[in-house]
Amino acid sequence: AQSVTQLGSHVSVSEGALVLLRCNYSSSVPPYLFWYVQYPNQGLQLLLKYTTGATLVKGINGFEAEFKKSETSFHLTKPSAHMSDAAEYFCAVTPFDTASKLTFGTGTRLQVTL
Amino acid sequence: EAQVTQNPRYLITVTGKKLTVTCSQNMNHEYMSWYRQDPGLGLRQIYYSMNVEVTDKGDVPEGYKVSRKEKRNFPLILESPSPNQTSLYFCASSFLQGAEAFFGQGTRLTVV
Repeated sequence: AQSVTQLGSHVSVSEGALVLLRCNYSSSVPPYLFWYVQYPNQGLQLLLKYTTGATLVKGINGFEAEFKKSETSFHLTKPSAHMSDAAEYFCAVTPFDTASKLTFGTGTRLQVTL
Repeated sequence: EAQVTQNPRYLITVTGKKLTVTCSQNMNHEYMSWYRQDPGLGLRQIYYSMNVEVTDKGDVPEGYKVSRKEKRNFPLILESPSPNQTSLYFCASSFLQGAEAFFGQGTRLTVV
């Protein structure tokens, strides 16, 4: 069975500062990895995903994440935070050989201050 | 516009009164899922469906039923709701394994 650990349920950064949201996973088979964002009163929207190939993945709104197999990590970064980035972020994993069973982390709420 | 539509968005009901939350997608996706979101627990999968008439339990299926009689619809049924089913529910669909999952706007259910 796969699992996801997101370190830090709340992260606060200043506008313009680096955003780093941590995600570690466990999976017995090669994983597909995702980051989703949830704005208040909305559903989840895909930020980026890793399936195969290049380990540095770029997503929407200037976010990117790097798949590091040796560290079983898929941390999300953005060089410069914007007020509009305030939201909840979820990391998710699905096994390569099992259709459709996404396992989510518990989420990290990002606060951006002036 | 590609979308997953859930109804209702908000629902308050009493213990034991059967209810159905509908979910419909217009993307011809084969895979559909239901999740519940609770503070500190993230999203947990309730049921999923790989195709019409093919459904399977997720991580927290107790107290829920689903059906998949048509490709586009995947309703969530609570036969006898209890207060511990008070939660935010999301329906999602995807074309295939590893593809982007599209989520509905959510249904906030309160059982009193």
